[in-house]
Amino acid sequence: GAVVSQHPSWVICKSGTSVKIECRSLDFQATTMFWYRQFPKQSLMLMATSNEGSKATYEQGVEKDKFLINHASLTLSTLTVTSAHPEDSSFYICSASPWTTNTGELFFGEGSRLTVL
Amino acid sequence: AQTVTQSQPEMSVQEAETVTLSCTYDTSESDYYLFWYKQPPSRQMILVIRQEAYKQQNATENRFSVNFQKAAKSFSLKISDSQLGDAAMYFCAYRRARFTGTASKLTFGTGTRLQVTL
Repeated sequence: GAVVSQHPSWVICKSGTSVKIECRSLDFQATTMFWYRQFPKQSLMLMATSNEGSKATYEQGVEKDKFLINHASLTLSTLTVTSAHPEDSSFYICSASPWTTNTGELFFGEGSRLTVL
Repeated sequence: AQTVTQSQPEMSVQEAETVTLSCTYDTSESDYYLFWYKQPPSRQMILVIRQEAYKQQNATENRFSVNFQKAAKSFSLKISDSQLGDAAMYFCAYRRARFTGTASKLTFGTGTRLQVTL
């Protein structure tokens, strides 16, 4: 199947700093990528849809200025958590599907665990 | 809006036995996809099985099969001959077909934690 790589897999940062998480589709092009957030023992909640070459679409309640998303190419989307605070600590997962596919399947990155001290 | 409901927060099964995980969903669409994803402790999301709504035949993948009841909007997962490696969180998910962008997002249920005992 298609491969999505996410980096870093875990990161610890100080409160007030910014952290960038990368999501790459390694063997396919993706015009759309999705960013999810998962709290411990909970489900995945969609944060935003990353659209190549245009602005991201954020879900209700997600702060655009805190969670900056850039989708500069067909194989890379980045999520930047700006001025991170302890409540931003979470597991972030990206997903994507080849725009040529018709199976409906989304492929997931390995996830990034963010801890803000 | 589409919703996915998993009413079993936790399930337990003995090794080699069969277990069924329940999932219901709500949608006004006629064309869509349904999935079961497995999330082990590593938290990597792994596709278990997928079903296209226009196909009446239930999908099967080795020990995994589904019971897809479109009219009832039900999509249960049966795991046969359970193995210790099946222990994980299982998420039922819905995705609209023939849409792009945000409209094509995956909507997840709350998950069912499966324990496999000896």
